Amino acid sequence: SAVISQKPSRDICQRGTSLTIQCQVDSQVTMMFWYRQQPGQSLTLIATANQGSEATYESGFVIDKFPISRPNLTFSTLTVSNMSPEDSSIYLCSVEERKRHEQFFGPGTRLTVL
Amino acid sequence: TQLLEQSPQFLSIQEGENLTVYCNSSSVFSSLQWYRQEPGEGPVLLVTVVTGGEVKKLKRLTFQFGDARKDSSLHITAAQPGDTGLYLCAGGGAGKSTFGDGTTLTVKP
Repeated sequence: SAVISQKPSRDICQRGTSLTIQCQVDSQVTMMFWYRQQPGQSLTLIATANQGSEATYESGFVIDKFPISRPNLTFSTLTVSNMSPEDSSIYLCSVEERKRHEQFFGPGTRLTVL
Repeated sequence: TQLLEQSPQFLSIQEGENLTVYCNSSSVFSSLQWYRQEPGEGPVLLVTVVTGGEVKKLKRLTFQFGDARKDSSLHITAAQPGDTGLYLCAGGGAGKSTFGDGTTLTVKP
């Protein structure tokens, strides 16, 4: 299984600022995703990070608010822009083993917006 | 849109008790995964089931995939405090995986 690291692990940010979260995988993977999760709740998919092209966003999420980069098959970033307290959440990146749909997750980034 | 409903949403039991968590859908999935997530960590894959009627065991955990591949169950025997966490089922099919609502399990010593 892939080993995934995320930076930062947590941050406290001021309203109106932006935060970029990094996701690094120890092997080349095709499918990489970004999720949002409220503590104790299920996962909400933000977007699929596509290598070499624009990310594919889910309904309710837009590129201006959550720009994503995927420069290669082992790295991606998610930026949370112009933050408000409603953006306080855990942000997770994951990769998928395509054939069996198994996903492997990073440890998450806990974001608090004041 | 494929939906997965988990029940119960919350479960609090004493150490040594048995429990079952259910994951139901009206859609057919080519595979179904169960994950466990502890506070401060990402979800960790426990098992994948792919064949209708399949039963898999992982120590005290027994996973079953429904015959029609629309539902699954997770049974824990003699629960321990270390089993405490958020349990998520996820269904794989054509396109992205779908995650269930989650079941928060607390096992009290």
